[in-house]
Amino acid sequence: DAGVIQSPRHEVTEMGQEVTLRCKPISGHNSLFWYRQTMMRGLELLIYFNNNVPIDDSGMPEDRFSAKMPNASFSTLKIQPSEPRDSAVYFCASSPQGSGNQPQHFGDGTRLSIL
Amino acid sequence: GQQVMQIPQYQHVQEGEDFTTYCNSSTTLSNIQWYKQRPGGHPVFLIQLVKSGEVKKQKRLTFQFGEAKKNSSLHITATQTTDVGTYFCAVGGSARQLTFGSGTQLTVLP
Repeated sequence: DAGVIQSPRHEVTEMGQEVTLRCKPISGHNSLFWYRQTMMRGLELLIYFNNNVPIDDSGMPEDRFSAKMPNASFSTLKIQPSEPRDSAVYFCASSPQGSGNQPQHFGDGTRLSIL
Repeated sequence: GQQVMQIPQYQHVQEGEDFTTYCNSSTTLSNIQWYKQRPGGHPVFLIQLVKSGEVKKQKRLTFQFGEAKKNSSLHITATQTTDVGTYFCAVGGSARQLTFGSGTQLTVLP
């Protein structure tokens, strides 16, 4: 079975440019999470969706960040304009429906470098 | 959301030695999950603990949930080089999101 699929795997761009990260969750999973991982701040939850609806975006650092989930099989995280401090590994994860906390399945991540 | 402290931040062991990482919370937890992230990889779910005093084993890994459900530990017996990575605990909030501990980075010296 396919896991969570993220693209691109690596992204290098200049500051000020728009960056779009993509995620395809595991089929049948109804919760989707976007995380950012850095050495300084560890693994931070940015936003999560349940049944395609954003539930909690309190982790989104600034208005430059936005996330959408137009359907159950696709989500995007956009940064516009990008800044060097946005450099990090961005993970998407999904989990199945159920009560309580279900295990989260992570994609391979997007390694983002803003020059 | 829930906050959890994880210690130690780093651990270097000789191959064959044991390893333990701890997670502590000031509040009672409904459950706790453990993940492993290999260098350059992504977090991978290992196990979930739900019951007070619960102990679960996966080969050389032993997971414990405290009686008060405020702490948990992961113990690896006789480490191997394949155990290298960062081990995270994660605790659930009121909804389905998780808050991850800061992780313990394990280095196993051959």
